Amino acid sequence: DIQMTQSPASLSASLGETVSIECLASEGISNDLAWYQQKSGKSPQLLIYTANRLQDGVPSRFSGSGSGTQYSLKINSLQSEDVSIYFCQQNYDSPLTFGSGTKLEIK
Amino acid sequence: EVQLVESGGGLVQPGRSLKLSCAASGFTFSNYYMAWVRQAPKKGLEWVATISTSGSRTYYPDSVKGRFTISRDNAKSSLYLQMNSLKSEDTATYYCARYGPGYPSYYGYWGQGVMVTVSS
Repeated sequence: DIQMTQSPASLSASLGETVSIECLASEGISNDLAWYQQKSGKSPQLLIYTANRLQDGVPSRFSGSGSGTQYSLKINSLQSEDVSIYFCQQNYDSPLTFGSGTKLEIK
Repeated sequence: EVQLVESGGGLVQPGRSLKLSCAASGFTFSNYYMAWVRQAPKKGLEWVATISTSGSRTYYPDSVKGRFTISRDNAKSSLYLQMNSLKSEDTATYYCARYGPGYPSYYGYWGQGVMVTVSS
């Protein structure tokens, strides 16, 4: 199985700041990487797919990048509504596996 | 608008069975692979089962293989998960999810989730 190592586990930042979350795959996944946002008590929602493609309706302050085994999610101009847990997921090979999540809070 | 609505969760004793349902709307159900994904309390996400568009192919992780069965009824736009021989470690919120185009793929849409608690 492909292991997804996500960091940091938690992150605290001020409104308006830019933050980044990293995801490292145990082998190359050819940009088959998605990012999800899960707000408290809600189901996950797709933010980004194929490493850098924004899902319809997702604000442009979210962006994804990376290649090979290393990927990142960047959030520009942090807003209060961005408080969530963020998960990465590889869909290169079955079983599809997730990172352990990053909890983002506002300072 | 894509909607996925799960039902059938609840409290069940270890070793017993439970069947979850997911009613889909807002898209052509028969065109998409579907999945169940679960999340134990305060934990991460774990894929549980996948089914092909026709239902002829199913996939499971080792943790549920032989105990869980995913199925679908394309005429009713419905997805199911039959869970047998339940264990305490199956306690989780279960989400019905639609894949993006093709498989393997990302999960483009999720239901609101249904809680399953396995306890005596």
